[in-house]
Amino acid sequence: LAKTTQPISMDSYEGQEVNITCSHNNIATNDYITWYQQFPSQGPRFIIQGYKTKVTNEVASLFIPADRKSSTLSLPRVSLSDTAVYYCLVREGFQKLVFGTGTRLLVSP
Amino acid sequence: DTGVSQDPRHKITKRGQNVTFRCDPISEHNRLYWYRQTLGQGPEFLTYFQNEAQLEKSRLLSDRFSAERPKGSFSTLEIQRTEQGDSAMYLCASSERGMETQYFGPGTRLLVL
Repeated sequence: LAKTTQPISMDSYEGQEVNITCSHNNIATNDYITWYQQFPSQGPRFIIQGYKTKVTNEVASLFIPADRKSSTLSLPRVSLSDTAVYYCLVREGFQKLVFGTGTRLLVSP
Repeated sequence: DTGVSQDPRHKITKRGQNVTFRCDPISEHNRLYWYRQTLGQGPEFLTYFQNEAQLEKSRLLSDRFSAERPKGSFSTLEIQRTEQGDSAMYLCASSERGMETQYFGPGTRLLVL
């Protein structure tokens, strides 16, 4: 399974766009890139998933360059409630998810 | 809300006691996963079921741990002779065949005294 590397923490202010980059140099051909969000004392919540180029949903955008060795989660106009831990994962099919320590995002007023 | 549910949400027990947790997946999901999460760390995979078959177990799942999914619906995770190191959040997730997204429950927080 490919290993991911992402910043330990990030700080932002309300209304700003936040971009969290994840590197996955050993990503395999069949791997998908998935991002989860987790609030304290809750289970992780699926945010977005992609294979290549750009994916957008109502919550976030995911940018994946052609070589797929990195990806960037973009959160538009964050609010205080976006303070959470964000996990970047790569996995093939329905295999188990391998979580790292994630990125702790703190959004301040 | 028809998401993944877990019971109990919190459990405090004394070292050496047995505990059992239950997970009810989303009804049409045939895959069910158990993870364990300690403070400051991401969740770690424990085991995975497809219907009633347990297809993979992590080395983290010692002999004191057992998981079942007898009818391919709900699952139980039992820890025998609990140790203080078992204190953690136990998370359950489910996914639908043909769809890879795993949906997590709220977790059961275990504290072993």
